[in-house]
Amino acid sequence: QQQVKQSPQSLIVQKGGIPIINCAYENTAFDYFPWYQQFPGKGPALLIAIRPDVSEKKEGRFTISFNKSAKQFSLHIMDSQPGDSATYFCAASNGGGDMRFGAGTRLTVKP
Amino acid sequence: GAVVSQHPSWVICKSGTSVKIECRSLDFQATTMFWYRQFPKQSLMLMATSNEGSKATYEQGVEKDKFLINHASLTLSTLTVTSAHPEDSSFYICSATDPGKPSGEQYFGPGTRLTVT
Repeated sequence: QQQVKQSPQSLIVQKGGIPIINCAYENTAFDYFPWYQQFPGKGPALLIAIRPDVSEKKEGRFTISFNKSAKQFSLHIMDSQPGDSATYFCAASNGGGDMRFGAGTRLTVKP
Repeated sequence: GAVVSQHPSWVICKSGTSVKIECRSLDFQATTMFWYRQFPKQSLMLMATSNEGSKATYEQGVEKDKFLINHASLTLSTLTVTSAHPEDSSFYICSATDPGKPSGEQYFGPGTRLTVT
């Protein structure tokens, strides 16, 4: 069922660092690429999302870079903070709402 | 806007019993709702897609007779785990799409932790 490959599995950075999480997909029918942040025991919360007609989207400290030809997209977190420590999931879906998730990246930001 | 709630947030039941989990869209009408299961330290795995007024579509490997899904109204979908066993213990999360929002966007509930003893 995993149609979206995500790396790395875990990531540790110092406060202020810029963690980068990468995802790759196969299905060219996907047209919506969100990133979710999940804290333990909570549901996933939408962080930022992009569609294939743009190559980059920035919202606050979060940036998505999208490479349609390579079928890859990545999340950059600028000036990371200890409060950003969470598990991050990339996902991809088509117009029908069929959403597939990456395996997740456990991010730890050290103070 | 686009808030999804789940009830209960956690439940403990004995092996062999059934448990019902509710998913509600609070401020929009959800024509489509999704049910996911998440085991510890793993990703979300889609179990089924439900459309209001019709039968749910289950993913391969998900037993439809064990995981009963009912989407009787535009704001409520229920997942009933029948004859629960310890291996059904998991975090169950629902999501919904808002027809008034761009296609593909899903809004997730806070999840329900099920523990079967």
